[in-house]
Amino acid sequence: AQSVSQHNHHVILSEAASLELGCNYSYGGTVNLFWYVQYPGQHLQLLLKYFSGDPLVKGIKGFEAEFIKSKFSFNLRKPSVQWSDTAEYFCAVNGATSGTYKYIFGTGTRLKVLA
Amino acid sequence: EAQVTQNPRYLITVTGKKLTVTCSQNMNHEYMSWYRQDPGLGLRQIYYSMNVEVTDKGDVPEGYKVSRKEKRNFPLILESPSPNQTSLYFCASSPRGGAPDTQYFGPGTRLTVL
Repeated sequence: AQSVSQHNHHVILSEAASLELGCNYSYGGTVNLFWYVQYPGQHLQLLLKYFSGDPLVKGIKGFEAEFIKSKFSFNLRKPSVQWSDTAEYFCAVNGATSGTYKYIFGTGTRLKVLA
Repeated sequence: EAQVTQNPRYLITVTGKKLTVTCSQNMNHEYMSWYRQDPGLGLRQIYYSMNVEVTDKGDVPEGYKVSRKEKRNFPLILESPSPNQTSLYFCASSPRGGAPDTQYFGPGTRLTVL
């Protein structure tokens, strides 16, 4: 079955701490991987995505993610978080498999950064 | 301004009263999609559309209908709403389906079914 697992549901960090949010997926065939963020009161927006090439991808606001094919993982990282990173983060996958083009999202991780 | 719009933004209704949530995009995107967001469950795809007159089920299509008669519009129809459809609904669009394209999300519609 197609699925995306985000292991951390709630994370609380102090400013300047490092962040790593886990994401594992199960989706047959070639996949595209995404991290979206939902800041309080704002639309969901793309942080970064991976589809091919260098497995370490960089996104906006200093975020990066590493695709590890053997582990079916796409973990999100940031070396030093800021108060403004407080948001909900979603990992997502899509792909063309069996003629379908579904998106599967994880359950989300709520990050709270303490000033 | 490139955007996805949804209306209404907030809706309180009663069980069984048919309703439609509209979604429109001005970016000439082929792919459009509806999601519902529930606490602890994340975003779940309801329906998606690869292009005009092409729609398909997502993971939670029961109780919903969609249509794609024009490229820019993708309304979500609840023929007989029930309380378990109380949720936050998002419409999204992207240039293509099955591609690593960015999805652009609307502002959300908060639906309460009494």
